[in-house]
Amino acid sequence: QKEVEQDPGPLSVPEGAIVSLNCTYSNSAFQYFMWYRQYSRKGPELLMYTYSSGNKEDGRFTAQVDKSSKYISLFIRDSQPSDSATYLCAMCSYNTDKLIFGTGTRLQVFP
Amino acid sequence: GAVVSQHPSRVICKSGTSVKIECRSLDFQATTMFWYRQFPKKSLMLMATSNEGSKATYEQGVEKDKFLINHASLTLSTLTVTSAHPEDSSFYICSARDRNLQFFGPGTRLTVL
Repeated sequence: QKEVEQDPGPLSVPEGAIVSLNCTYSNSAFQYFMWYRQYSRKGPELLMYTYSSGNKEDGRFTAQVDKSSKYISLFIRDSQPSDSATYLCAMCSYNTDKLIFGTGTRLQVFP
Repeated sequence: GAVVSQHPSRVICKSGTSVKIECRSLDFQATTMFWYRQFPKKSLMLMATSNEGSKATYEQGVEKDKFLINHASLTLSTLTVTSAHPEDSSFYICSARDRNLQFFGPGTRLTVL
């Protein structure tokens, strides 16, 4: 079993839809949870960062962490064609620098 | 803030040559930088962790003599692919740590002919 599982998609939604992206993990030591957005042929860009459980909102993006279920989510409201990209979840434990990535979910928002 | 640059963005070289890729943190100091490799439609694979002033820590299966890493200053790490072969063709991405977060460079696409 992989440490982090993420559905690779692709996920195709119409403009304006609410998008839900998810990851599950197996290591209960993970404390920091991130979401990165990666456009084709570019480096990943940090979107959201959450420590431990809870919700965090930034504009159209909401990140949720449920440590009891070992499940994290990223919600995108009012999705735009410019949101079309691959979204990678990443996490690490308190005492390490290493990020463990999901495989990434490819999102396509069509006009 | 937290901007990381990479140079070059793209390089094509002949088999057997060596290629150096630079990674710079532009607006912060990074004692730790990371080098990743990414295959098409795949996630990032960590190659090594680079610490300023000390030897890099390589992941299992990554040849340290093949992929030379130098982190000579708090804002610069370099990856040299020595005696490159076509199978080394890939997208190489660096990241730099700022507090508990990693910020990524734009990546370098290496093509070995």
